[in-house]
Amino acid sequence: AQTVTQSQPEMSVQEAETVTLSCTYDTSESDYYLFWYKQPPSRQMILVIRQEAYKQQNATENRFSVNFQKAAKSFSLKISDSQLGDAAMYFCAYRSASGTASKLTFGTGTRLQVTL
Amino acid sequence: DAGITQSPRHKVTETGTPVTLRCHQTENHRYMYWYRQDPGHGLRLIHYSYGVKDTDKGEVSDGYSVSRSKTEDFLLTLESATSSQTSVYFCAIEQDTLPNEQYFGPGTRLTVT
Repeated sequence: AQTVTQSQPEMSVQEAETVTLSCTYDTSESDYYLFWYKQPPSRQMILVIRQEAYKQQNATENRFSVNFQKAAKSFSLKISDSQLGDAAMYFCAYRSASGTASKLTFGTGTRLQVTL
Repeated sequence: DAGITQSPRHKVTETGTPVTLRCHQTENHRYMYWYRQDPGHGLRLIHYSYGVKDTDKGEVSDGYSVSRSKTEDFLLTLESATSSQTSVYFCAIEQDTLPNEQYFGPGTRLTVT
C-alpha cells in the first residue's frame, strides 16, 4: 500500500518570502500522479498543482512549483512571494496511474501561517 | 468550480440514529468518492462509485453504506451513528479524462453526540 508522509505539521513564512513544504511517499509503482491540495479556513479542498511521475520536468503553476525527486520519492511544494491568502492547510496526495477508480492517498497535512 | 454540492453542510445527531449525506454533481462524471477528514489522518476514502449502482469499499468503510441510483447523486449513510463518526465528510468527483483529477465538494461537518 502507498503511504504519504508530511513531516512538518506547521510552517510559517513572512509575506513576500518563499517557503517549501515537504512530502515523501512510498510506493512500488512506477507510474503515478502526485498532487498538492490547499485547504483554507473555508474548508474547501483546492487543487494547487499536479505532477506526473513519468515527467522529469517539475510542474509550475504561477507562484507554486514542485521539486519532484522520483528516486528519493520526494515531492516538495515551493510557494514564492507568499501572500496572506496562502495561509491554509496543505495536503500532499498520491494517486496510482494504473487501473480505474484509483483513490487518493493523503498525507496528514502542513498548516502554513503567513505573517506580515 | 466542479459543480459539486453537499447537503447538509452541518449536522448534529445523536448516537444510534441513522444519517444520510448527499452529494450532487452537475457534470455527469462517472466516478464519485466519499472521504472523511480527521485531525492527524488527512483524508481517508470511505466508499466510491464507478457508475449507477456500482460501488465499492474504501479503507474506512465499516459503519457506512452508499447508494447511487442516478449519475448525479451519491449518498452516504451511517446506519447507526457513533461518536467515532464525528468528522468532516467530503465528496469528490473524478474527471473522465487523464489525468483524472479529483475535485471536492464543500464538505459536511457531522457531529455525533
